[in-house]
Amino acid sequence: GIQVEQSPPDLILQEGANSTLRCNFSDSVNNLQWFHQNPWGQLINLFYIPSGTKQNGRLSATTVATERYSLLYISSSQTTDSGVYFCAVEPNFGNEKLTFGTGTRLTIIP
Amino acid sequence: EAEVAQSPRYKITEKSQAVAFWCDPISGHATLYWYRQILGQGPELLVQFQDESVVDDSQLPKDRFSAERLKGVDSTLKIQPAELGDSAMYLCASSLSGVGDNTEAFFGQGTRLTVV
Repeated sequence: GIQVEQSPPDLILQEGANSTLRCNFSDSVNNLQWFHQNPWGQLINLFYIPSGTKQNGRLSATTVATERYSLLYISSSQTTDSGVYFCAVEPNFGNEKLTFGTGTRLTIIP
Repeated sequence: EAEVAQSPRYKITEKSQAVAFWCDPISGHATLYWYRQILGQGPELLVQFQDESVVDDSQLPKDRFSAERLKGVDSTLKIQPAELGDSAMYLCASSLSGVGDNTEAFFGQGTRLTVV
């Protein structure tokens, strides 16, 4: 099946800093999503971005489908940005099976 | 705003007992997923429905787990008997579905299961 790797696994930053999270995947994809898992375990949708660039406030994401990677940018980090960020992809073949990476744990220090 | 509803939010059960989780997807979403997330790992798919049909249950431990979506709307995931290793977060998600369509998945709040 498709392989999804996220880096870095852990990231500790001071409040106000910027960060870049990366997601690499092994095959062409029909769907790519970024999620933020809150402290209560719910997965919050950040971006649906199989290709191109999107922005939502302090967050933006870019997927370069031909090179099989996606980047999530967080600017001016706030303590509420802390949590685990997951990338999930649906391969461009077979059924719609959304496969998750192992996540990046982001900790923002006041 | 439409949401995926799950219940219960938390469940503590004894080993060898039966336990069931319920999920109501966003109205009109044909695809429904059940994922299991062990602490410190990413979610892993247990079963995927397209309407009332199972399209992928390759990772479902069928000797103890069962899932149904009888009318193609809400779904139940059951574990019988529960084992200590089943302690995890169980997440339900839904999407509009359709190859080539927007297949963005939306997740419920999850059920945190503890087996003692």
